[in-house]
Amino acid sequence: QSVLTQPPSVSAAPGQKVTISCSGSSSNIGDTYVSWYQQVPGTAPKLLIYENNKRPSGIPDRFSGSKSGTSAALGITGLQTGDEADYYCGTWHSSLSAGVFGGGTKLTVL
Amino acid sequence: QVQLQESGPGLVRPSETLSLTCTVSGGSISSYYWSWIRQPPGKGLEWIGYIHYSGSTNYNPSLKSRATISLDTSNNHFSLKLSSVTDADTAVYYCARAELLWSSGYYSYFMDVWGTGTTVTVSS
Repeated sequence: QSVLTQPPSVSAAPGQKVTISCSGSSSNIGDTYVSWYQQVPGTAPKLLIYENNKRPSGIPDRFSGSKSGTSAALGITGLQTGDEADYYCGTWHSSLSAGVFGGGTKLTVL
Repeated sequence: QVQLQESGPGLVRPSETLSLTCTVSGGSISSYYWSWIRQPPGKGLEWIGYIHYSGSTNYNPSLKSRATISLDTSNNHFSLKLSSVTDADTAVYYCARAELLWSSGYYSYFMDVWGTGTTVTVSS
C-alpha cells in the first residue's frame, strides 16, 4: 500500500475538466511540497508539477496543482485524448527521510 | 539537454545481486540528487534511493539495506546494486535526476529528468 492515497481511476469527456486527489499526512504532504508525474503506458514518467503548483518549461497551463493541509490535487482542463495516462503524486516523507509516491490514478478520456 | 540511459542485465537469478548503471549525457553529474525508482509489472512507482554529488546517500527503508547507490563522476554515471534479489524485485527500473531543496520551511523533492527505463526480471 502506498503512503499517499490516490483514487485508482477517474474519467471525463474531451474538453471537460478533471481533478485528481492525493491524500497524505503531516509527515509527508503536510510539511513538504508535492510533485505530479504523468506516465503514458509503456513510457517513463514525466514531471508535470513541482513545488505544489509550478510547471516545468513546456508543460501547458491546462495542468495545475494545489495543496491544502495534508492533501493535494492535480487539475487538468480542456481534456484531450492524449491526456490518457497514469498520474502519480510524489513528495518527501520527512520522518522516513525517503521519497514517496501515490498509488497512481488512471485517467480515461471518454 | 540532459539525458539519462539505464543499462544492465535484463535477467538476474534469485539470491544474486542486481547491478544497473545510469549514464548521464548532455550535462554534468555534479550537483543534483541522482535517484533510482522502480515499477513492478502493473503496479505503481516505488522510490529506491538517491546519491548526491557530494556522495551522501539515502535509501527506502523497505529495502532493508539491500540497496547501494554509487557515483562515478569521472565517467558521468551512477549505479545501483540490489543484493539478495527475489521475484518481488522484478520491475522496470528508472534512473532520474532529482532536486531536494529546503524552501520556505518545506522540503521539495522532485524528479525532473528520467531515463527510459530498463526491465529486470528475477528468475531462475
